[in-house]
Amino acid sequence: TQLLEQSPQFLSIQEGENLTVYCNSSSVFSSLQWYRQEPGEGPVLLVTVVTGGEVKKLKRLTFQFGDARKDSSLHITAAQPGDTGLYLCAGGTNYGGATNKLIFGTGTLLAVQP
Amino acid sequence: EAGVAQSPRYKIIEKRQSVAFWCNPISGHATLYWYQQILGQGPKLLIQFQNNGVVDDSQLPKDRFSAERLKGVDSTLKIQPAKLEDSAVYLCASSLGRWAGELFFGEGSRLTVL
Repeated sequence: TQLLEQSPQFLSIQEGENLTVYCNSSSVFSSLQWYRQEPGEGPVLLVTVVTGGEVKKLKRLTFQFGDARKDSSLHITAAQPGDTGLYLCAGGTNYGGATNKLIFGTGTLLAVQP
Repeated sequence: EAGVAQSPRYKIIEKRQSVAFWCNPISGHATLYWYQQILGQGPKLLIQFQNNGVVDDSQLPKDRFSAERLKGVDSTLKIQPAKLEDSAVYLCASSLGRWAGELFFGEGSRLTVL
């Protein structure tokens, strides 16, 4: 069974602080996605990384895919209250090349206090 | 463009009763997913459809859960009989084509089993 463990599970910080969320697995994934979910809503895609070592930036968010494609990190600079939410990583695997299966991580609940 | 529609948004039932959730994916999306999300955790895939065929239902508790996708469009997820541990949010998502790429989620159906 493929598992994606995220750490920390909960994070409460003050506005303006930096933070990093980690997503780790013993399995190799063909792609890695990060989603953010707000209360009462479905997850919304933030980014997709597909190459080992790949780094993508989205304003104050920096995403990195591990060289071995088993782990990923999300770094937020100068967090704002609007960043509050549940952050989910999701690893993609192939069904024999025909279709993709997406496995979600355990989640990191972030609260940014003003 | 209309998003993924789900109903009902909330449902409260007694254990051993039955319940059904409905999902209408984004028009033209071939792949449809049902996920179960326990509060504060990552979504767990229950079943994945490609058009109206099942691609993966390995984590669907088939003794009580069933799902169908009529004519490759709408889908219904049924639970009968419900157990206390089925209390969760049931998320429907869809994606374009065989490669999952970005998953578009509905707002979810929150089930409480008493």
